[in-house]
Amino acid sequence: RKEVEQDPGPFNVPEGATVAFNCTYSNSASQSFFWYRQDCRKEPKLLMSVYSSGNEDGRFTAQLNRASQYISLLIRDSKLSDSATYLCAMNTGFQKLVFGTGTRLLVSP
Amino acid sequence: NAGVTQTPKFQVLKTGQSMTLQCAQDMNHEYMSWYRQDPGMGLRLIHYSVGAGITDQGEVPNGYNVSRSTTEDFPLRLLSAAPSQTSVYFCASLGTAYEQYFGPGTRLTVT
Repeated sequence: RKEVEQDPGPFNVPEGATVAFNCTYSNSASQSFFWYRQDCRKEPKLLMSVYSSGNEDGRFTAQLNRASQYISLLIRDSKLSDSATYLCAMNTGFQKLVFGTGTRLLVSP
Repeated sequence: NAGVTQTPKFQVLKTGQSMTLQCAQDMNHEYMSWYRQDPGMGLRLIHYSVGAGITDQGEVPNGYNVSRSTTEDFPLRLLSAAPSQTSVYFCASLGTAYEQYFGPGTRLTVT
C-alpha cells in the first residue's frame, strides 16, 4: 500500500461549484500535513497547512481526520484559476515529506 | 529573497554523459532535498541533506550523487545519464514549520 494515496481525477466542475478532495495516508505517526498546488509545468507551491482543528483560508478549507487517516481539501465557489493539480503531503519522519501523486481539478466556465 | 533557484531550466543529454544540476537557496534553511517528478509517479525523493556536510539517500538515489559544502548550495550530479533519468527535477528547502519551498525545476531529457 502506498504511504499516501490520492484520486488522480480529473475532477471537472463548473465555476461556482464546491469540490472536495481526500488524501489517505498509512503512517499513523505522521504529524504535519499540507496541501500544495501545482500548475502545469510549474513547481508545487504550498497552499495551506492542515491542523488537527482544521484550517480555513478564504474559499479553501482543509481538515484532518486522524481516526480514518485522511486529510481533505474543500474549495468553495470554484474559479477558473483554481484549475491545477493539488498534492497532499505529510512528514513521515525527521524532516522528510512524502507527497501524493496529485488530484487534477478542471474548472470550466 | 530569491527563494530556491535552479539551473539550468532545460537540458538534453546523451546516454552516458554526466552533468550537475545546480540548486541554491537564500533562506538559510538547513534541510534541502532533490525530487524527481514523473507522470503518474508523483514526487520521489532522490537525496536530501540536513545541513552542510551531511547528506543521505532518499527513495530513488541510484545514478545520482550530491554534496553539501555550504548551507546555500545543494548540487545534484548525474554520473552517467540514462534514458530512465528523463524527468523533471525539483530542488527544495524546508522551512521551520515543515513547509517545503520548491525551485522552478529542471526539465531533463536523456536520449
